[in-house]
Amino acid sequence: EVQLVESGGGLVQPGESLRLSCAASGFTFSSYSMNWVRQAPGKGLEWVSYISSSSSTIYYADSVKGRFTISRDNAKNSLYLQMNSLRDEDTAVYYCASLGYAHPWGQGTLVTVSS
Amino acid sequence: SYELTQPLSVSVALGQTARITCGGNNIGSKNVHWYQQKPGQAPVVVIYRDSNRPSGIPERFSGSNSGNTATLTISRAQAGDECDYYCQVWDSSTVLFGGGTKLTVL
Repeated sequence: EVQLVESGGGLVQPGESLRLSCAASGFTFSSYSMNWVRQAPGKGLEWVSYISSSSSTIYYADSVKGRFTISRDNAKNSLYLQMNSLRDEDTAVYYCASLGYAHPWGQGTLVTVSS
Repeated sequence: SYELTQPLSVSVALGQTARITCGGNNIGSKNVHWYQQKPGQAPVVVIYRDSNRPSGIPERFSGSNSGNTATLTISRAQAGDECDYYCQVWDSSTVLFGGGTKLTVL
């Protein structure tokens, strides 16, 4: 069974940092590109970042470029998102997802940025 | 920049067919994916690459994509289908989601 489990969310103050993790199982993680997608309270889905299967290609949404860093460890079947200089508008549930495949999404992890 | 346009809401009578559209310039040349999201839950893939249905998704869900419009069709709509639906594509190294459509089953 394909499973993605996010962790690392929490309450932080503006300007602080947080690192999210996504543990994958049930499929050959190293063969799939991965993404982070977020959803602010009461809002729609917003793509955050993409990483190719070998980490050779990485893309970011303009809203997080220069502040967030995506990475992966194929040996550990894990995806990461390092979030620095967090802002109020980064408050959201963050999901990891392969996108474009029949894989389910994770349950998400809530990041709250507030003073 | 590329934009995806979904109706804010669609209504369908119980047991009838609902069609949710996703508009974009020449979207027929792109792979379109559809997600279902119920309140408080993570999105669920209901259609990927235009018309493919993951295992476990009822045959009542189907997708098509041509020209400037992709369509998610839900046949024999049930009360449990009432929730939000999002389309998604790739364009120029960016993932785009439609704004979402709230499906109401009357």
